[in-house]
Amino acid sequence: DAGITQSPRYKITETGRQVTLMCHQTWSHSYMFWYRQDLGHGLRLIYYSAAADITDKGEVPDGYVVSRSKTENFPLTLESATRSQTSVYFCASRNYNEQFFGPGTRLTVL
Amino acid sequence: GENVEQHPSTLSVQEGDSAVIKCTYSDSASNYFPWYKQELGKRPQLIIDIRSNVGEKKDQRIAVTLNKTAKHFSLHITETQPEDSAVYFCAASTHWAGGTSYGKLTFGQGTILTVHP
Repeated sequence: DAGITQSPRYKITETGRQVTLMCHQTWSHSYMFWYRQDLGHGLRLIYYSAAADITDKGEVPDGYVVSRSKTENFPLTLESATRSQTSVYFCASRNYNEQFFGPGTRLTVL
Repeated sequence: GENVEQHPSTLSVQEGDSAVIKCTYSDSASNYFPWYKQELGKRPQLIIDIRSNVGEKKDQRIAVTLNKTAKHFSLHITETQPEDSAVYFCAASTHWAGGTSYGKLTFGQGTILTVHP
């Protein structure tokens, strides 16, 4: 599990600010994912990537932007943060057999 | 797209009892069904998974059953212990096709399992 990390682990920001959450994996997994976790909604997919320079929208992509210039990194950017984006964000990567989650980032938007 | 429904949302049992969590899915093309356990403040971790070519899989006190016709699958935990207390998520995806891995996981809403000593 040390193979996938997220930073920062905790972040407090204000409405309207741009925030970038980082995700890094050392396994060279092709697939990477961003989820948000809110009470009553489980894990909802924001964006995912099948390989470097290939990304696609998930269930709740509005207000988020991703990029993947290198296989190991998959940053998630909130272009103009809103209170509704207060959540716990999990990054994940997958090989053919298992999906591994990062430790999560708790984001609070005031 | 795929839709996964999970029940119950909360489950309370006495230590030593069995616990069963059920999920239904909508996409008949789904062929991979993992279960994740998430302890408080931690990341989800895979505890067991099943592919559509088998009907049941066991790992010690944990088992998963799959009914493709009815499009539902269940997690069974026997001889529950307090350390089994956590949130459990089911998921589904079209994980494999033609030897290629693709498809994103769609998660259920989660079940909060509490095991009382």
